[in-house]
Amino acid sequence: DTAVSQTPKYLVTQMGNDKSIKCEQNLGHDTMYWYKQDSKKFLKIMFSYNNKELIINETVPNRFSPKSPDKAHLNLHINSLELGDSAVYFCASSLLRGSLYGYTFGSGTRLTVV
Amino acid sequence: KQEVTQIPAALSVPEGENLVLNCSFTDSAIYNLQWFRQDPGKGLTSLLLIQSSQREQTSGRLNASLDKSSGRSTLYIAASQPGDSATYLCAVLQGAQKLVFGQGTRLTINP
Repeated sequence: DTAVSQTPKYLVTQMGNDKSIKCEQNLGHDTMYWYKQDSKKFLKIMFSYNNKELIINETVPNRFSPKSPDKAHLNLHINSLELGDSAVYFCASSLLRGSLYGYTFGSGTRLTVV
Repeated sequence: KQEVTQIPAALSVPEGENLVLNCSFTDSAIYNLQWFRQDPGKGLTSLLLIQSSQREQTSGRLNASLDKSSGRSTLYIAASQPGDSATYLCAVLQGAQKLVFGQGTRLTINP
């Protein structure tokens, strides 16, 4: 299936731990994104990579570090997790920065920090 | 700074009714506008994409319109069904850089 896939789907961890979320797309897109959906269901962009180059880096704590080893993969590493990091994290991808065909989203990773 | 607003925040209608969801945005310099559907605990499914040069797009019972100059879009759902119950999100592509979302309309269709 052509899609944006994220792993894991659920992640429960203790405060202070370090965790990673992985994302892969097989759509041939050249741009990938991380979005955060908070408890009020509001979606906000965190990072964007175009052809492995970071092009958007919103006001996000530097405990969050994205990495894009190639155009098809974008990972998110979070250090020293805090309670406030609990949210659903969505990966997305697009072609030509979304200007022609829009964005395709993954199914999300629900992160719970306890 | 682009702001996207969706009204109403929640809507409950009986099955079979036609309904309209509204989306407004403050900066008309957009590339396109995308409507998504999100089911509880699930990801986002793209419904319709309207380029800035277009006025409307249709897919089955869904019709989305765009009036860029006034900063408005509507999503029209005809003959609503219980399976249409979900949160509907409107998002505008700003500067071919990032998609900016509204907070969604939670739609419930009652059988």
